[in-house]
Amino acid sequence: KAGVTQTPRYLIKTRGQQVTLSCSPISGHRSVSWYQQTPGQGLQFLFEYFSETQRNKGNFPGRFSGRQFSNSRSEMNVSTLELGDSALYLCASSWGTATNEKLFFGSGTQLSVL
Amino acid sequence: GESVGLHLPTLSVQEGDNSIINCAYSNSASDYFIWYKQESGKGPQFIIDIRSNMDKRQGQRVTVLLNKTVKHLSLQIAATQPGDSAVYFCAEGLQGGKLIFGQGTELSVKP
Repeated sequence: KAGVTQTPRYLIKTRGQQVTLSCSPISGHRSVSWYQQTPGQGLQFLFEYFSETQRNKGNFPGRFSGRQFSNSRSEMNVSTLELGDSALYLCASSWGTATNEKLFFGSGTQLSVL
Repeated sequence: GESVGLHLPTLSVQEGDNSIINCAYSNSASDYFIWYKQESGKGPQFIIDIRSNMDKRQGQRVTVLLNKTVKHLSLQIAATQPGDSAVYFCAEGLQGGKLIFGQGTELSVKP
């Protein structure tokens, strides 16, 4: 069974640009969560989607957005990039049927903003 | 506020010894706790989880202990191996389903 797949693996952008990251969950999983990981802040929750609807949201500005498609694949978008957006962006999937359940993470997209 | 913290940022152990990684959480309403291992260049990998109605759970070479009285969580790794070298994160599950992660402890295993 394939794991969580994130593309691209690496991205380099400049300030002011926008970026779209993609995530394919484990087959059958309907929940997709996104996390930002930085050395200073650790893993911070961005948002969670379930059945194409945003179910939870973290404390990030509106420049960070996401969506989920009918096949459970998800994308997240960051507009007007800032230097501080440089981070590893992790996607995780789960069945989504329990209030709390283990998440399965992808290898992440390493975003560098210059 | 919501926070999950780790007592030690780094831990160095001898191969074959047991490792204990500690974690403190602040939200007494949390009812789910989970440990992840993250190796360089990879995403976090699930190790073991525990719900608040339990105080101990064992896996293969790993044991998680939960002390709700002092809001403390620990991960014990038996017979630590070089392949166990990684950063270990604890996380608590809040109502609403999101996981709040601690800062992580780097475990280094000396041969």
